[in-house]
Amino acid sequence: DQQVKQNSPSLSVQEGRISILNCDYTNSMFDYFLWYKKYPAEGPTFLISISSIKDKNEDGRFTVFLNKSAKHLSLHIVPSQPGDSAVYFCAASAQGGSEKLVFGKGTKLTVNP
Amino acid sequence: KAGVTQTPRYLIKTRGQQVTLSCSPISGHRSVSWYQQTPGQGLQFLFEYFSETQRNKGNFPGRFSGRQFSNSRSEMNVSTLELGDSALYLCASSSLPPGRTSSYNEQFFGPGTRLTVL
Repeated sequence: DQQVKQNSPSLSVQEGRISILNCDYTNSMFDYFLWYKKYPAEGPTFLISISSIKDKNEDGRFTVFLNKSAKHLSLHIVPSQPGDSAVYFCAASAQGGSEKLVFGKGTKLTVNP
Repeated sequence: KAGVTQTPRYLIKTRGQQVTLSCSPISGHRSVSWYQQTPGQGLQFLFEYFSETQRNKGNFPGRFSGRQFSNSRSEMNVSTLELGDSALYLCASSSLPPGRTSSYNEQFFGPGTRLTVL
């Protein structure tokens, strides 16, 4: 049973526009959420996180929104740049982020110049 | 500061064999976690070690095992390989012990070992 779902395997956007990556979860015990970015032949790198006590967290061009009632989170990248082209993983953890991470399957973002 | 290193980077084995993968964490990091990445299942947590003790384990069969040494280096072993074990195996290290809130923000991944089982 996939507890963290990224239903879009791929997304293509134009440079300068907004990229919106979505993630849904089913486990109501999850209370800490993270996004990772992964380039080919490299390991994932931490991008941004959000605790369930918040509904938004911003870091430069990256903003994560959390809708607890819908069990949905999204990552907004504004403006998108070609260097943002990568696979993005959503992950969740319970107990304030101290329990093991559960990942989605990833969304491949392509930003076209 | 050197990053997380994993050896070997690529490995080809046949069904029934066993394999050992190695991970050297960032200097000073004492937490090491292992993950399996496959196209069908995405990234899945295997286990986590801290101070030579396994602190957490994912839902994998007993063929998957690991250990951590006193210098924090870690190895994972897969016995009786199956075709479905073909995957990218990722190791991550952290300076924070397991159970610390948001320790994943401080988790750094290695490039992975690509295992192919024929």
